[in-house]
Amino acid sequence: AQSVTQPDIHITVSEGASLELRCNYSYGATPYLFWYVQSPGQGLQLLLKYFSGDTLVQGIKGFEAEFKRSQSSFNLRKPSVHWSDAAEYFCAVDHGSGNTGKLIFGQGTTLQVKP
Amino acid sequence: DGGITQSPKYLFRKEGQNVTLSCEQNLNHDAMYWYRQDPGQGLRLIYYSQIVNDFQKGDIAEGYSVSREKKESFPLTVTSAQKNPTAFYLCASSIRPQGNSPLHFGNGTRLTVT
Repeated sequence: AQSVTQPDIHITVSEGASLELRCNYSYGATPYLFWYVQSPGQGLQLLLKYFSGDTLVQGIKGFEAEFKRSQSSFNLRKPSVHWSDAAEYFCAVDHGSGNTGKLIFGQGTTLQVKP
Repeated sequence: DGGITQSPKYLFRKEGQNVTLSCEQNLNHDAMYWYRQDPGQGLRLIYYSQIVNDFQKGDIAEGYSVSREKKESFPLTVTSAQKNPTAFYLCASSIRPQGNSPLHFGNGTRLTVT
């Protein structure tokens, strides 16, 4: 069965520092991969997605992610974090059960930004 | 602007009562989904609907029911059979029920059952 693991439950970085959030997946074929962000008490917003092609994908708010098939990873990066980036981040993968659109989500990583 | 509206934002119920959470979208999306979010557990799929008048159970459907009588509406009923109903519920939609169609989310309903 497909699964997604986000090894870091909580990460704290200083404002202006670089950020990398880890995501590992288990999938039988080339997956569809997503990163979403959630502010407290809100819904999720799509940051970026990978379907095929270039393994480095750009998203909104200055985020990017790199798909590495050999490592089954899809890590999210940002060169310089802003205080407004403090939120919870979720990695997700297509369920793989045909045309359903179902996603499997990781447990999430909470990002805290120090001034 | 198009989007997904969930109401109410906060809902309080007594144990043993059924409660219905509303989800409306004006994006003209075919597929709609209900997820449950608990701290530290990510999002888990309750039910999904690929088309009007059709819906399927997700991973944690027990104690929940849904309907999809209109394309824009996908209400979720939390029944008294749901053993631990207190949670944050998120409704989502996608333009079509395919893995490469990103989900659009509403702002959620926080349900508290005492």
